[in-house]
Amino acid sequence: SQKIEQNSEALNIQEGKTATLTCNYTNYSPAYLQWYRQDPGRGPVFLLLIRENEKEKRKERLKVTFDTTLKQSLFHITASQPADSATYLCALDDSWGKLQFGAGTQVVVTP
Amino acid sequence: GAVVSQHPSWVICKSGTSVKIECRSLDFQATTMFWYRQFPKQSLMLMATSNEGSKATYEQGVEKDKFLINHASLTLSTLTVTSAHPEDSSFYICSARGHQIYTDTQYFGPGTRLTVL
Repeated sequence: SQKIEQNSEALNIQEGKTATLTCNYTNYSPAYLQWYRQDPGRGPVFLLLIRENEKEKRKERLKVTFDTTLKQSLFHITASQPADSATYLCALDDSWGKLQFGAGTQVVVTP
Repeated sequence: GAVVSQHPSWVICKSGTSVKIECRSLDFQATTMFWYRQFPKQSLMLMATSNEGSKATYEQGVEKDKFLINHASLTLSTLTVTSAHPEDSSFYICSARGHQIYTDTQYFGPGTRLTVL
């Protein structure tokens, strides 16, 4: 069965450091992979989309890599700030236009 | 851009009543809208996909007679939880994919917290 795995343990990180989150998937052949941010009691906010033929994508302090051989995406937040504290969700398109989400990884950035 | 609103943001109702939740794309037309449910500490689970002017497609295990979806226009979809029970208490989130712009992904509303007493 299809599975998307994200680290369930919260990532505690000091302000200014780089946070790295992992998304692994099985039994998917996604055309692209997406990352969302979700704050408590709010809907997800779209951050980045990376296509299968792209190795890396950047947006301001965010960087995403996509390795279709390893079936893995890494999400980096550089120079992290307390305002980056949230849950980050990985999502894959199942080719029917529907998104399947991982459970998310909570990031806590302390001053 | 790509703003999606939901109304109400929260609702408390008695068991057995019906509740309607609206999802609107404010600055774009949406070909497709999606409805998700999220329980505490869990990820989003897709309930159904709706296209304007046609019947919604429900995911396995989702009762279509209980969760009525109407996608009346390219900017409005509604989810009605009929005869709500406490186990229907959850966070309901809609998303929209654009028709001519914002076609690359889904843009989410802020969610509706439903509590059934």
